[in-house]
Amino acid sequence: AQSVSQHNHHVILSEAASLELGCNYSYGGTVNLFWYVQYPGQHLQLLLKYFSGDPLVKGIKGFEAEFIKSKFSFNLRKPSVQWSDTAEYFCAVNDVGFQKLVFGTGTRLLVSP
Amino acid sequence: EAGVAQSPRYKIIEKRQSVAFWCNPISGHATLYWYQQILGQGPKLLIQFQNNGVVDDSQLPKDRFSAERLKGVDSTLKIQPAKLEDSAVYLCASSPTSGANTGELFFGEGSRLTVL
Repeated sequence: AQSVSQHNHHVILSEAASLELGCNYSYGGTVNLFWYVQYPGQHLQLLLKYFSGDPLVKGIKGFEAEFIKSKFSFNLRKPSVQWSDTAEYFCAVNDVGFQKLVFGTGTRLLVSP
Repeated sequence: EAGVAQSPRYKIIEKRQSVAFWCNPISGHATLYWYQQILGQGPKLLIQFQNNGVVDDSQLPKDRFSAERLKGVDSTLKIQPAKLEDSAVYLCASSPTSGANTGELFFGEGSRLTVL
């Protein structure tokens, strides 16, 4: 069964620091990849997605993610975080064959002003 | 555009009692999902509906959980009898097509269940 690993459970950064959150998945077939974000008190929402083409994808609010097929990874990055980026970030992977979206355990990011 | 509506937002029950959660997806969305999110874990799919048919319920504990989407619109998730380990947030999501392929699931705010 496919699985998604997010190794950083809690991350604390100061404003303007750079961010990289790791995501690795286990399935070797065709996958679609996503990052979702949940701001405090709000619902989960899509941050960015990758289906095919350019492995560097850009999402909302200055976030980007890079798909590295050989490493089964889809890491999320932002050059300079803001206090408003404080949230929980979930990586999700869809095995196209199974059509099931599997979420990682999430990374809680706290940005101090 | 109205989002995914869920109720109740919070529910506290004792073990062995029953509880029901309701979800109204975004108008026109054919696919509806129920996810369980236990504290410290990512959302886990319980059941997926395409219109009023079940697409995937492989992770639904069918001895105590049931879900229906009779008219292909809103849906109800029931737990009977509840166990302590059912304490979680129950998330409903919808998408216009098979969301696993498009990737964009629209989530409700969730129903937080505490079982004492």
